[in-house]
Amino acid sequence: EVQLVESGGDLVQAGGSLSLSCAASGFTFNAYSMTWVRQAPGKGLEWISYISSVSTTIYYADSVKGRFTISRDNAKNSLYLQMNSLRADDTAVYYCAKRAWGEGGPFDFWGQGTLVTVSS
Amino acid sequence: EIVMTQSPATLSVSPGERATLSCRATQSVSTNLAWYQQKPGQAPRLLIYGASTRATGIPARFSGSGSGTEFTLTISSLQSEDFAVYYCQQDNKWPLTFGGGTKVEIK
Repeated sequence: EVQLVESGGDLVQAGGSLSLSCAASGFTFNAYSMTWVRQAPGKGLEWISYISSVSTTIYYADSVKGRFTISRDNAKNSLYLQMNSLRADDTAVYYCAKRAWGEGGPFDFWGQGTLVTVSS
Repeated sequence: EIVMTQSPATLSVSPGERATLSCRATQSVSTNLAWYQQKPGQAPRLLIYGASTRATGIPARFSGSGSGTEFTLTISSLQSEDFAVYYCQQDNKWPLTFGGGTKVEIK
């Protein structure tokens, strides 16, 4: 059974930093690209970052570029998101999601999310 | 950036009735379009990919159609568990983008 479990969400002050983790199990982690998607309270879904299976390709949404860093450790079956210079509008539930077909496709499995609250 | 626009924002439907949700893209995404269902407090769930292919375990009452810039998600006979928010998402071009969602509520 595929499982994605996020952790690391917390209350942080504006300008601060936070690191999120996503522990993966039930599939061959190093064969699939991964992504982070966030959802502000009462709002829709926003894709924020992508990393290919062996970290050779990385993309960011403009809203987080230069502040967030995605990474993965295939030996530990884990995905990470380092978030710096946090702003109030970064407040959201952060989901990690697996892409369906190696480097592409829809998001076929999602974690339960971890809440990041940035206080101003 | 490809902007995805969903309509209506809210759809009021009685159980057993048909629901038709629309998604429009500002440029062609071919058939690289997925639909997700999200219930309160839960993560999104993949329903449809490739514009028209049901994901594993998704009931046949869910169907998707369209290509290019116009897409439709149809729920043929709404069940109580189908009342939720539905999002479309394009994965044709970076950045990947989602529509704003359609909330399907009980009439």
